[in-house]
Amino acid sequence: QKEVEQDPGPLSVPEGAIVSLNCTYSNSAFQYFMWYRQYSRKGPELLMYTYSSGNKEDGRFTAQVDKSSKYISLFIRDSQPSDSATYLCAAFQGAQKLVFGQGTRLTINP
Amino acid sequence: DSGVTQTPKHLITATGQRVTLRCSPRSGDLSVYWYQQSLDQGLQFLIQYYNGEERAKGNILERFSAQQFPDLHSELNLSSLELGDSALYFCASSVGVAEDGYTFGSGTRLTVV
Repeated sequence: QKEVEQDPGPLSVPEGAIVSLNCTYSNSAFQYFMWYRQYSRKGPELLMYTYSSGNKEDGRFTAQVDKSSKYISLFIRDSQPSDSATYLCAAFQGAQKLVFGQGTRLTINP
Repeated sequence: DSGVTQTPKHLITATGQRVTLRCSPRSGDLSVYWYQQSLDQGLQFLIQYYNGEERAKGNILERFSAQQFPDLHSELNLSSLELGDSALYFCASSVGVAEDGYTFGSGTRLTVV
């Protein structure tokens, strides 16, 4: 079993829709959770960062962590075609390496 | 430009050959991480160096090795290449530990023919 599981999609939604991206993880020691966005032929870039459980909002993006169910979510409001990319969730504990999910390929249709 | 520089951007080589991928971390970052990204496996952690010393090892094959030099740049050496080694290889760097977040380079696309 992978430590971080993510549905690879692909996911296709119309412009303006609310997008929900989700991951589950198995290691209860994970404390830090991140979302990365990767455009085609580019390296991943850090989008959101959350420590422990709770919500974090940044503009149209909201990251949510529920440690009791080991569930990580990213919500995108008012989605734009420029949001089309692969979104990767990641988790780690302490000073250990980041463990990534497989990534969800998202397309926002104009 | 993320500040992490990877060269070359593309590499095509034959099976059995050896290649070296190079990474220059962002200025001030002491940690360097190497990841392999393939379509079916996602981003797989290979190895981490911190200030010249190996800090963590992932699913890195014995045919692969890496090092970080005194100027903090890092090299990933891949030998006895197989078709299955074709992938995107990413280098990332961070100031210290992973909680600062990683900054990724643009990757090296390796094609083994």
